Amino acid sequence: DGGITQSPKYLFRKEGQNVTLSCEQNLNHDAMYWYRQDPGQGLRLIYYSQIVNDFQKGDIAEGYSVSREKKESFPLTVTSAQKNPTAFYLCASSIDPGGTGANVLTFGAGSRLTVL
Amino acid sequence: AQRVTQPEKLLSVFKGAPVELKCNYSYSGSPELFWYVQYSRQRLQLLLRHISRESIKGFTADLNKGETSFHLKKPFAQEEDSAMYYCALTKAAGNKLTFGGGTRVLVKP
Repeated sequence: DGGITQSPKYLFRKEGQNVTLSCEQNLNHDAMYWYRQDPGQGLRLIYYSQIVNDFQKGDIAEGYSVSREKKESFPLTVTSAQKNPTAFYLCASSIDPGGTGANVLTFGAGSRLTVL
Repeated sequence: AQRVTQPEKLLSVFKGAPVELKCNYSYSGSPELFWYVQYSRQRLQLLLRHISRESIKGFTADLNKGETSFHLKKPFAQEEDSAMYYCALTKAAGNKLTFGGGTRVLVKP
């Protein structure tokens, strides 16, 4: 069953704690993305990676960190520096960043983070 | 900077009526535009992209560079069209996608 798996589906965190969201894909896609989804604001790009061991900041990278050590994995860490971390987080991937399939994103089911 | 605006947060139409979702963008070059859709309890997925010039599930979208718009239209809405729709823009293949705020469509029986 090919696709993107995000875990956990729901996560609760106390203020001051870091938390890591997992994103794994078995689609052999080159590019991976993290978006934050807030009501009325659409999806905002946090980080993206077009190749292993390389990633770029998106529009709202402050307070977040990522790594891309393997092609299939792109974990997102929400640090205590993120001022408003309660949100729904979506991971996505796309094949061949420079090709015709670029920007056709396959999305995961999402992770909802709540900071208590 | 590129920006996508979807002015309607909610569109409510009756089954069989036409529906049009507005999408306006700001970008000075030649963008590539998309519509993504999220049905209830399903993942966000691609609906259509302007370079394909195709109709998907009866929806069409025309890129109007003069008005910098990419409105999504369907002549006869169905109940299964009820969903959240996002317009998205990129300035080049492999570049990041910028999404609009989304429009929720509710098709009433």
